[in-house]
Order: sequence, then C-alpha cells, then structure tokens
Amino acid sequence: ETGVTQSPTHLIKTRGQQVTLRCSSQSGHNTVSWYQQALGQGPQFIFQYYREEENGRGNFPPRFSGLQFPNYSSELNVNALELDDSALYLCASSLFSSLYNEQFFGPGTRLTVL
Amino acid sequence: ILNVEQSPQSLHVQEGDSTNFTCSFPSSNFYALHWYRWETAKSPEALFVMTLNGDEKKKGRISATLNTKEGYSYLYIKGSQPEDSATYLCAPNFGNEKLTFGTGTRLTIIP
Repeated sequence: ETGVTQSPTHLIKTRGQQVTLRCSSQSGHNTVSWYQQALGQGPQFIFQYYREEENGRGNFPPRFSGLQFPNYSSELNVNALELDDSALYLCASSLFSSLYNEQFFGPGTRLTVL
Repeated sequence: ILNVEQSPQSLHVQEGDSTNFTCSFPSSNFYALHWYRWETAKSPEALFVMTLNGDEKKKGRISATLNTKEGYSYLYIKGSQPEDSATYLCAPNFGNEKLTFGTGTRLTIIP
C-alpha cells in the first residue's frame, strides 16, 4: 500500500449539490494531484497542489476547486454537481522535486450523482 | 490533446502463458513513462518509471521496454499467475506536472 488515504470511500449526491473529497498524502510527500476516472476512460488530470497553491490544472471547469493544508493533505470540492461528475476520484501524492514526477495513488472515492 | 493508446483493451490469458500489451504515445516532448498495475478496489500500484530510449525494466515476471523515438512501450508478463489479473495503465509525462493516462489493458488470468 502507498500510504495515501482518501475519504469517503463512496458517496451519493444529487444534481446541484456540492461535495468535498479528502486526501492524506504519503509521509514525506509535499504535492497532491487529483484525477477523475469516468467509466471506460483512463484517469484524467484535474489539478495539482504544492505549497498550498494550485500548480497546474487540466481541462475542468472552475466548479472543481481544491485546497492543500499545511500538513500537505488536500481537499477536492465540486460545486453544482452534474450527472457527468459521477466517477472515481483519485488523489496521488508525490515529492515536488521528484525527477520523473512519480506519483503514488490512493484507492479513490466513488462519487455517484443522481 | 495528447493521445495515449493502450491495446488491447482487455485480454484473457491461460495461467502459465506469457502475454504482452502495448502503450502508444506522442514521441515529441516525451520525458518519462509510468506503468501502473491496478487491482479492483485497491490503489494503482507503480510498476516502472522509464525514461531512456531502449530502456528495459524488470520486476519479477514482469518486464517493460521503451521506444521513445517511435512512441511506444511494451509490458510483458511471463508465466501468468492469477494474481496478475488487474488493469495495467501507462502514463507518459511530458515534462509538466501531470500524468496522461491511457484507458488501460484489463488482464484476466484463467486458472
């Protein structure tokens, strides 16, 4: 196991609601990245956080936002949920100075939007 | 949009047989390639990080090769075992903060 934990494991929400997903990074890591895996697709990069600031963002709308805390843990917030937001959300922790951007993943949070 | 393709999408292999599958990616701006093994209900597990053209990595019965000039990598599994059943993901990195994943190859080992 990687030491990266995510909560909750599963979540059911309805359209228009807001959701917060949480991630604790592996000990010694200072960077957290979030990915969305929709059915039949590979994980898609949402954004990355380093030093409590967003350090790169994928093709996701502003209603996807995040936070990183001083202990390097992170939250992913999604506002105004849509049906297409139903997916597995993965977080990955890494060391910012890692030469090849090696990322270590948690088990994911399964979000269902009804 | 960077197109990372993995083939086949799924594969059934008899226990004891060897198998391989492919990851194709744009060769321009290539920096590194990551292979992950992802078992159901678990975290994706890092297998290899590959960077140099002609690189070959090995971990037990699993090995991988890399061709950065033509933009592909092969993953080989020798003497498949039931515990090899998983989805294998490749993710090239192009020198930025993100990994760009393929859709994966779902491998099922038939006892």
